Amino acid sequence: GENVEQHPSTLSVQEGDSAVIKCTYSDSASNYFPWYKQELGKRPQLIIDIRSNVGEKKDQRIAVTLNKTAKHFSLHITETQPEDSAVYFCAADTGRRALTFGSGTRLQVQP
Amino acid sequence: NAGVTQTPKFQVLKTGQSMTLQCAQDMNHEYMSWYRQDPGMGLRLIHYSVGAGITDQGEVPNGYNVSRSTTEDFPLRLLSAAPSQTSVYFCASSGHRDRGETQYFGPGTRLLVL
Repeated sequence: GENVEQHPSTLSVQEGDSAVIKCTYSDSASNYFPWYKQELGKRPQLIIDIRSNVGEKKDQRIAVTLNKTAKHFSLHITETQPEDSAVYFCAADTGRRALTFGSGTRLQVQP
Repeated sequence: NAGVTQTPKFQVLKTGQSMTLQCAQDMNHEYMSWYRQDPGMGLRLIHYSVGAGITDQGEVPNGYNVSRSTTEDFPLRLLSAAPSQTSVYFCASSGHRDRGETQYFGPGTRLLVL
């Protein structure tokens, strides 16, 4: 089955800096890659996603890049703000509409 | 629309007890799935369904049963609870491929097995 690895497990940045989280996947059949933000005690919330026929997608301060050949995708957050502090998860889907998640990255934005 | 709803919000069980976690969605979504999230970890897929009457196993199916008799409901059954099943359980749904793949998560059920 699919295996998703995520790095780093924790990330601390200064407010205004950029943050990058990286994920790799194993199953070449995966074709959909969402990123979720989870605040303490809350449900995961989708922040951005990308399909395998697209190399990059951007939504304001958030962008995701995908390298199908290398089987890795990354989340980029620019101009970080304290409210960006949360746990971020990457995930992959082979089309069955059931996700395989990475282990998460705890992002701390220092004011 | 209420979206994805889950009941109960919190449950305490004794080892060996059985219970059903309820999940319902009112978005007419074909796809539904169950995940568990242990402290400090990512979500792991338990079971999923691609439509009424069709279910399949995920990464960690042992100890859990599911059924999908209607499009709206996807209950998760613990037949004989074990302390290792202490976790937060999330249900999710998504629509037909042409309507996008976004998975909508319920608020979760926090389960403690003593």
